[in-house]
Amino acid sequence: DGGITQSPKYLFRKEGQNVTLSCEQNLNHDAMYWYRQDPGQGLRLIYYSQIVNDFQKGDIAEGYSVSREKKESFPLTVTSAQKNPTAFYLCATKDRVTYEQYFGPGTRLTVT
Amino acid sequence: GQQLNQSPQSMFIQEGEDVSMNCTSSSIFNTWLWYKQDPGEGPVLLIALYKAGELTSNGRLTAQFGITRKDSFLNISASIPSDVGIYFCAGTSGNTPLVFGKGTRLSVIA
Repeated sequence: DGGITQSPKYLFRKEGQNVTLSCEQNLNHDAMYWYRQDPGQGLRLIYYSQIVNDFQKGDIAEGYSVSREKKESFPLTVTSAQKNPTAFYLCATKDRVTYEQYFGPGTRLTVT
Repeated sequence: GQQLNQSPQSMFIQEGEDVSMNCTSSSIFNTWLWYKQDPGEGPVLLIALYKAGELTSNGRLTAQFGITRKDSFLNISASIPSDVGIYFCAGTSGNTPLVFGKGTRLSVIA
């Protein structure tokens, strides 16, 4: 079964805790992305990685961290420094030839 | 960051009607993409456009890459209830992150 896996679908955390969201892909795409979606806000880019062991900040990187140790995996850590972490988080990969970008099913994070 | 101007923001239509939405940019893009997002799910790629003036169909959906390379259009013919969702446009000019519109929320009244 090919595609992008994000787990879990729903995640609940207490304020002050770091939490790591998983993103795994078997599409063999080099580029991977993390977006945050809030109601009525569209998609906002958090971090992206064009290749293993390299990543770049997006528009709203503060309070987040990432790693890219393997081509298949791009985990996102939401740190306690993120002031409003409750949101829907989407991972995506992009084909470097066609520029077609594919999204995972998303993780809804609720922090109370 | 840059964002595309997508309109309309929302629309309510009767089942069976045709739908049109568009996206404009201040920058030129080499590729335009259209996505649909169902509630609680990730966006799904509908159509990709690669050439100015290109018209591409996917079932009842037709998208066009504007001749100026600064805009794109999506039409849905004979809408049905399952067309409900948020439609996003996106543009790119290479291996840079996609620039997205804020989305058009489509509601279909049976």
